[in-house]
Amino acid sequence: DTGVSQDPRHKITKRGQNVTFRCDPISEHNRLYWYRQTLGQGPEFLTYFQNEAQLEKSRLLSDRFSAERPKGSFSTLEIQRTEQGDSAMYLCASGKGNTEAFFGQGTRLTVV
Amino acid sequence: LAKTTQPISMDSYEGQEVNITCSHNNIATNDYITWYQQFPSQGPRFIIQGYKTKVTNEVASLFIPADRKSSTLSLPRVSLSDTAVYYCLVVTPRGGFQKLVFGTGTRLLVSP
Repeated sequence: DTGVSQDPRHKITKRGQNVTFRCDPISEHNRLYWYRQTLGQGPEFLTYFQNEAQLEKSRLLSDRFSAERPKGSFSTLEIQRTEQGDSAMYLCASGKGNTEAFFGQGTRLTVV
Repeated sequence: LAKTTQPISMDSYEGQEVNITCSHNNIATNDYITWYQQFPSQGPRFIIQGYKTKVTNEVASLFIPADRKSSTLSLPRVSLSDTAVYYCLVVTPRGGFQKLVFGTGTRLLVSP
């Protein structure tokens, strides 16, 4: 499968715990996005990388969220001290140049 | 960023043509229009993209009038599997950074 891969697909965690998600973009895609989506809503932009540089981060993102993309390849999204309001689908997308973005299947987070 | 407005939901029957119109009154000169499709528990999937006039691919057609303040996604002869949420996005290319801003989309229900 040469699409965008996200791991894990599902994560259940207790409130207050830290979680980390991984995204493997399509090979040679220099653009990488993270989005969050709650039920009935469209995906909400979180952050964007061009190669290894994090060029934009949503103001909606609290300090508990951090994303990295070392070496411009895979990316990780970490949420510290999770809250019930963090329960959502976390989507990763990648793109190359000015072409369309390709989304992964997402990681569904449930905070209990 | 240009804001988009599209119907919340639409109903259709198998075999019919479906046209979903999106309003984007504040679209800028360099912006282009992109449509994504999303099935439950999956990431959005790119459908079609255009700047002006008409674009057609194997899945859909996109009609953009001269003033570019709206666009219409046309799905020919829909089937049950076309039941999904369709998002209209206006994308601003900025040195390779293309921020994809999703609205709530149009929920299309195709019935037998």
